[in-house]
Amino acid sequence: GIQVEQSPPDLILQEGANSTLRCNFSDSVNNLQWFHQNPWGQLINLFYIPSGTKQNGRLSATTVATERYSLLYISSSQTTDSGVYFCAVAYNFNKFYFGSGTKLNVKP
Amino acid sequence: DTGVSQDPRHKITKRGQNVTFRCDPISEHNRLYWYRQTLGQGPEFLTYFQNEAQLEKSRLLSDRFSAERPKGSFSTLEIQRTEQGDSAMYLCASSLVSNRATNQPQHFGDGTRLSIL
Repeated sequence: GIQVEQSPPDLILQEGANSTLRCNFSDSVNNLQWFHQNPWGQLINLFYIPSGTKQNGRLSATTVATERYSLLYISSSQTTDSGVYFCAVAYNFNKFYFGSGTKLNVKP
Repeated sequence: DTGVSQDPRHKITKRGQNVTFRCDPISEHNRLYWYRQTLGQGPEFLTYFQNEAQLEKSRLLSDRFSAERPKGSFSTLEIQRTEQGDSAMYLCASSLVSNRATNQPQHFGDGTRLSIL
């Protein structure tokens, strides 16, 4: 299967700080999504980004498929950004392979 | 636009009992996926359907597990003779995959949290 590595595993930020989360994957993919899992366990779609760059408010993501990595940028972090961020990849729109996640704690 | 719906949200049962979960996907989605997530880990793939056909099953899906999608709409996941190790969050996702249409991302339900006593 496809190996997915996320870094850092844990991140503590002061409110207002910026951060970059990284996702490396071991094989060619044509589907990549970033999710935020909130404290209630809900997986929220952030980005569907098999390649290129997208922005949504304070969040943006970039995937360089040829180099097998994706980055998620969080700017001006807020306490509501706390939770676990997952990167998931798939080949041919089949099953997802998830990373182990980055656990983010934003302190007021 | 109603999202993916899962029922129940929580299930507590005694070891050895059978449990069944239901997933209602987004209505126009032809693919339906089941994943399992244990504490501190990312979700792991269990199985997926295209319409009513079950196309792939993970080796995580032992013979105590069975999944169905009889009419290509909702799906059920049954676990027989539950064990302590079955305690997890069971997540369902759906997507639209087509040779003609633009492929869509997977959308996840809120999950069913199973606790085995």
